[in-house]
Amino acid sequence: AQSVTQLDSQVPVFEEAPVELRCNYSSSVSVYLFWYVQYPNQGLQLLLKYLSGSTLVESINGFEAEFNKSQTSFHLRKPSVHISDTAEYFCAVSLGGGGNKLTFGTGTQLKVEL
Amino acid sequence: DVKVTQSSRYLVKRTGEKVFLECVQDMDHENMFWYRQDPGLGLRLIYFSYDVKMKEKGDIPEGYSVSREKKERFSLILESASTNQTSMYLCASSRSGFSGNTIYFGEGSWLTVV
Repeated sequence: AQSVTQLDSQVPVFEEAPVELRCNYSSSVSVYLFWYVQYPNQGLQLLLKYLSGSTLVESINGFEAEFNKSQTSFHLRKPSVHISDTAEYFCAVSLGGGGNKLTFGTGTQLKVEL
Repeated sequence: DVKVTQSSRYLVKRTGEKVFLECVQDMDHENMFWYRQDPGLGLRLIYFSYDVKMKEKGDIPEGYSVSREKKERFSLILESASTNQTSMYLCASSRSGFSGNTIYFGEGSWLTVV
């Protein structure tokens, strides 16, 4: 079975500073990787996903994540955060081969301060 | 835009009551999901349905059942609510056929069992 580890439960950062949210996964088969974001009192929205091809994937609001197969990681980064990025971020993995069921990490609360 | 609608945002129920959480999606998706979200535990899959009248247990099905009589509607049932089922419940849907398909979430239902 696959699992996802998000080691940081909370990450405080000042506005305009860079940030990295860490995600590691374990799986013996090929996987698809996702980052979802949850703003206060809302459901989850897809931020970005890695399916195949280029290991660096980007979102429309400046986040990027790099798939590293050797380190089984999919860390999320942004070079300069904004106060509106304050949210909870979830890393998730889906096994190849059908089913489309996601296994989620425990989430990282990003708090951007002025 | 895909819309997943959960009928109740906030519910308060008594121990032992039968509780229905309703979810409707408008994109003709084959897959529908119920997740439970708890602080520090992330999202955990309760049940998954890949077609009308078809269901599959997730990671934590105990104490829950589901119903899918129509493609667009997926109901979560707590037969006899208990205080340890106080949580945020998230419904989701996706197209079938590929594990990398995006899963779309509703805004969640906060259930308190007293």
